[in-house]
Amino acid sequence: IAGITQAPTSQILAAGRRMTLRCTQDMRHNAMYWYRQDLGLGLRLIHYSNTAGTTGKGEVPDGYSVSRANTDDFPLTLASAVPSQTSVYFCASSDSGNSPLHFGNGTRLTVT
Amino acid sequence: GQNIDQPTEMTATEGAIVQINCTYQTSGFNGLFWYQQHAGEAPTFLSYNVLDGLEEKGRFSSFLSRSKGYSYLLLKELQMKDSASYLCAVMDSNYQLIWGAGTKLIIKP
Repeated sequence: IAGITQAPTSQILAAGRRMTLRCTQDMRHNAMYWYRQDLGLGLRLIHYSNTAGTTGKGEVPDGYSVSRANTDDFPLTLASAVPSQTSVYFCASSDSGNSPLHFGNGTRLTVT
Repeated sequence: GQNIDQPTEMTATEGAIVQINCTYQTSGFNGLFWYQQHAGEAPTFLSYNVLDGLEEKGRFSSFLSRSKGYSYLLLKELQMKDSASYLCAVMDSNYQLIWGAGTKLIIKP
């Protein structure tokens, strides 16, 4: 079934630990995105990639890094987790430009 | 700054009609999206408007007025399964999406 797969579904992480959230899509979309969603706030863009080999910073990039080695995968890494990174993280992809986003099912991360 | 405003919460009755408003102030405009998000799930695409006017898709319609920086999502013949959050997002001149905080719609029998 075509779509976006995120892993893990949920995770409890001790502060200071390193964590990589995985995201894979099989729709051959050029653009991929990482968002965080917190209660009462809109989706906030962390990092994005317009095409394989390129990445860019979004609205809230600090404490996060990404890579885009190929079209399908777009992992998000928290180098040293802090409690303020407790959130629901969504990976998304789009074909190009103003095409709608397709979202993964999200990763619920709790940093203690 | 860029800003999207939509009501935090709305309540409506099953079978009725509800209109969810969205106003925006952005640097440029390349389209407005509406997404539906059920609790604990991912957002899913509902509609896209780039020109003024009404776009109809079954029970859902979306309206845009670029001169007023205004859109609404109209849901007809409400069903219990329409209970969800509805997210308004505007694509700015850099093709970046600016998101509203979402409107939680509660449907009562």
